[in-house]
Amino acid sequence: EVQLVESGGGLVQPGGSLRLSCAASGFTFSTYGMHWVRQAPGKGLEHVCAISSNGGSTYYANSVKGRFTISRDNSKNTLFLQMGSMRAEDMAFYYCSRGTYTGIRPDRFDYWGRGTLVTVSS
Amino acid sequence: EIVLTQSPGTLSLSPGERATLSCRASQSVSSSYLAWYQQKPGQAPRLLIYDASSRATGIPDRFSGSGSGIDFTLTISRLEPEDFAVYYCQQYGSSPGTFGQGTKLEIK
Repeated sequence: EVQLVESGGGLVQPGGSLRLSCAASGFTFSTYGMHWVRQAPGKGLEHVCAISSNGGSTYYANSVKGRFTISRDNSKNTLFLQMGSMRAEDMAFYYCSRGTYTGIRPDRFDYWGRGTLVTVSS
Repeated sequence: EIVLTQSPGTLSLSPGERATLSCRASQSVSSSYLAWYQQKPGQAPRLLIYDASSRATGIPDRFSGSGSGIDFTLTISRLEPEDFAVYYCQQYGSSPGTFGQGTKLEIK
C-alpha cells in the first residue's frame, strides 16, 4: 500500500524558516517524480514545487521561487521541503504527492499524504 | 498559464440524482491532460479521473469524465451519500499545471 506521511508543520514567524518531510513507503520511491501541493485553509489547491526521481531536476511555482527548496533522499525514501523567508500567504496545508512520471513535467497526482499545517504568524 | 474555471460553484442535489460538473480552460488543454479530484473535509484530495476520461484505480464506474479542448465534464451517474464533497479539475498539459477553484457538491 502506498503511503505518504508528512511531518514538520507548525507555527513560524514571518521571515522565518521551516523544513517539512514526507516519508514514503509501499512503492519504489526512487522511480517517481514527487511534488508538494498546498492549500490555504478553505481555499483551492496550488502546485508548489516538484523534483525528478533522481533529484537532478526541480520546478518551483513563481510564488515560492528563491525561497523554497525541494530535495529528496532516495536512500531513506524521504522528500523534503525547506521553506524560508516565509510570508503570511504561505500559511496552508502542505501535501506531499506522487507524480506518474520520473521527471518534473506537469503531472497528475495519484497518491497524496494527509498533509501538514504550516501557520505563519507573529 | 491556463486558467481553469469550474461551474457551478455549488451544486445542490439529492442522493440518487445525476451530477454534472463543468471545467472550462482559458486555452486548449494539450493531449486532454485533465484530471478530476475529490476532496472531503479534513482529507487530502483523491484522484478520480485522469487524461479527461480514464478512471483512476479503485474509482467506481458511476464516475465518468469527458471532454477535450477547453471544455471538460465530470459526471456522477447516481449520487451516493459519500459523493458529497468538493471536486477540483487540474490541467497538466502545459506548464505550470493549474487547478480550478472547485465545485462543492452538497446534499439538497
